[in-house]
Amino acid sequence: KQEVTQIPAALSVPEGENLVLNCSFTDSAIYNLQWFRQDPGKGLTSLLLIQSSQREQTSGRLNASLDKSSGRSTLYIAASQPGDSATYLCAVPNSGGYQKVTFGTGTKLQVIP
Amino acid sequence: GAVVSQHPSRVICKSGTSVKIECRSLDFQATTMFWYRQFPKQSLMLMATSNEGSKATYEQGVEKDKFLINHASLTLSTLTVTSAHPEDSSFYICSAPGGPLSGNTIYFGEGSWLTVV
Repeated sequence: KQEVTQIPAALSVPEGENLVLNCSFTDSAIYNLQWFRQDPGKGLTSLLLIQSSQREQTSGRLNASLDKSSGRSTLYIAASQPGDSATYLCAVPNSGGYQKVTFGTGTKLQVIP
Repeated sequence: GAVVSQHPSRVICKSGTSVKIECRSLDFQATTMFWYRQFPKQSLMLMATSNEGSKATYEQGVEKDKFLINHASLTLSTLTVTSAHPEDSSFYICSAPGGPLSGNTIYFGEGSWLTVV
């Protein structure tokens, strides 16, 4: 059974700082991994999808890395802004397939102006 | 690109009534869709697998008679919360796999916030 852990659970940083969010998973036989953000009371917004064959994926100030062998992914946010404040979730396919995912518990990020 | 649309995004219903949430794959067919639920201060948990033309498969602990799932076509799955109670208030989200041509991408709907009063 896939288990997904995100550290830290909460993070508060001043505006402009670079930061790293961590996602660990137990079953490394995955097809891909997705990062999402969830704003309070809102839905999920897909940020990055990184395939198992990739080591990195970038979108604007966001960079996601994937190390399957160690069961880790990181989401790097450069030059953080107050608008980045949200909960960030990683979603990892369950063992044996890619269709069902297990979500991490999330990292709640607050960027202070 | 492929999009999964979920409706409504927000709904308030009275206790004891039923509410339906729709999940549509807009430009691709999905024989299988998935429904997740988010409990307060917890992450999203898989509720059930919706199978086109057959019965849904429910995860352990999910009441199938309370959460009715219908996958009547290759582009539409519906989740009906029957006889809703305040404890059913939650965030519900669906997903649909895009298949090998999409790089095995899983597409998620925007989610639906249900409040039962």
